[in-house]
Amino acid sequence: AQSVTQLDSHVSVSEGTPVLLRCNYSSSYSPSLFWYVQHPNKGLQLLLKYTSAATLVKGINGFEAEFKKSETSFHLTKPSAHMSDAAEYFCVVVDTGRRALTFGSGTRLQVQP
Amino acid sequence: GAGVSQSPSNKVTEKGKDVELRCDPISGHTALYWYRQSLGQGLEFLIYFQGNSAPDKSGLPSDRFSAERTGGSVSTLTIQRTQQEDSAVYLCASSFHPSGGGQETQYFGPGTRLLVL
Repeated sequence: AQSVTQLDSHVSVSEGTPVLLRCNYSSSYSPSLFWYVQHPNKGLQLLLKYTSAATLVKGINGFEAEFKKSETSFHLTKPSAHMSDAAEYFCVVVDTGRRALTFGSGTRLQVQP
Repeated sequence: GAGVSQSPSNKVTEKGKDVELRCDPISGHTALYWYRQSLGQGLEFLIYFQGNSAPDKSGLPSDRFSAERTGGSVSTLTIQRTQQEDSAVYLCASSFHPSGGGQETQYFGPGTRLLVL
């Protein structure tokens, strides 16, 4: 079975500084990977997805992620954090056998003024 | 509609009662999913419907949980004889799934927050 591991449960950054949320995946073949964001009391929203077309994926709100097969990683980055980025972020892999999403445990991003 | 809708938004029930949660997917989406988000277990898959195919029920935690999708659109998740450990946010998602890949985006509803007393 495929899985993802989010290495940090909480990340705190200052507004205007870079964001790095780490994710490692486990898969026997090239997976489909996603990052979703969940703002407080809001639904899950897709940030970006990797589907083997390009290793560097750009998403909404200035986020991007790079698929590195050699490191089995799919880290999420943003050059400059904004207060509105404070939320919980989930790294997700598709279990292509079932089409269901398998979620990481989540990383809560805090942005300090 | 514009997005996935779920009702009720909140549900409080007593242990042992049955509850029904409803999901209205995005019009035209062929696939529908139920997930559960709880403090102890994180986000976990429950069940998946695709067109007229038999649903994938492999994520349902017990036989107290069941779901149906009528007319390829609206879905109802039923929990019988609720237990306190069923307290969670139940999320529904839908996607357009024409064929193969598994790369299609799943769009999530706002969820139903269930509290079992």
